[in-house]
Amino acid sequence: GQQVMQIPQYQHVQEGEDFTTYCNSSTTLSNIQWYKQRPGGHPVFLIQLVKSGEVKKQKRLTFQFGEAKKNSSLHITATQTTDVGTYFCAAPPQGGSEKLVFGKGTKLTVNP
Amino acid sequence: SQTIHQWPATLVQPVGSPLSLECTVEGTSNPNLYWYRQAAGRGLQLLFYSVGIGQISSEVPQNLSASRPQDRQFILSSKKLLLSDSGFYLCAWGAGAAYNEQFFGPGTRLTVL
Repeated sequence: GQQVMQIPQYQHVQEGEDFTTYCNSSTTLSNIQWYKQRPGGHPVFLIQLVKSGEVKKQKRLTFQFGEAKKNSSLHITATQTTDVGTYFCAAPPQGGSEKLVFGKGTKLTVNP
Repeated sequence: SQTIHQWPATLVQPVGSPLSLECTVEGTSNPNLYWYRQAAGRGLQLLFYSVGIGQISSEVPQNLSASRPQDRQFILSSKKLLLSDSGFYLCAWGAGAAYNEQFFGPGTRLTVL
């Protein structure tokens, strides 16, 4: 079945440094979503990208969808300790479905 | 506004005991409902999903089952728990439209001893 590969698995940064996580698929995606899970918490929906080459921003977070709709990235500028958590990308499987296929996540830790 | 409830928050059960986890959604009708399991430090594994009352799709064969007796109620069950059933169980709902995002409940941390 369709897989969504996410890298890196772990990322440790100093507070103030930038952070990027990448999501890749071998097939064209209809859309891609990003979620954040704080330690001990549940995943929370952040954003959805639908259009080829789309870029969306939420304060220090920048989300991009590749031109071929096969990859996406989440970039955080000047990380803060509140950014700690695991970031997941997710996409519907090929052919459409009520399901989402989640990447394995990137766990971000921030050293103050 | 929509809210999703899960209970209990934590649960410790002996091997071989039964399990029943309940999830309810408020503020929406005919949602898609999902059960996920997350092992410690790992990703999300979809266990079951439902697009309507009595309609259950199973993603992973195992000793768990799911039921949807009412539109906004989703139940995860087991007759006999295994050690490998330990994990963080998350219920989620989606609006059912195209490109719909999912909204997760607070989860149940299950430890099987």
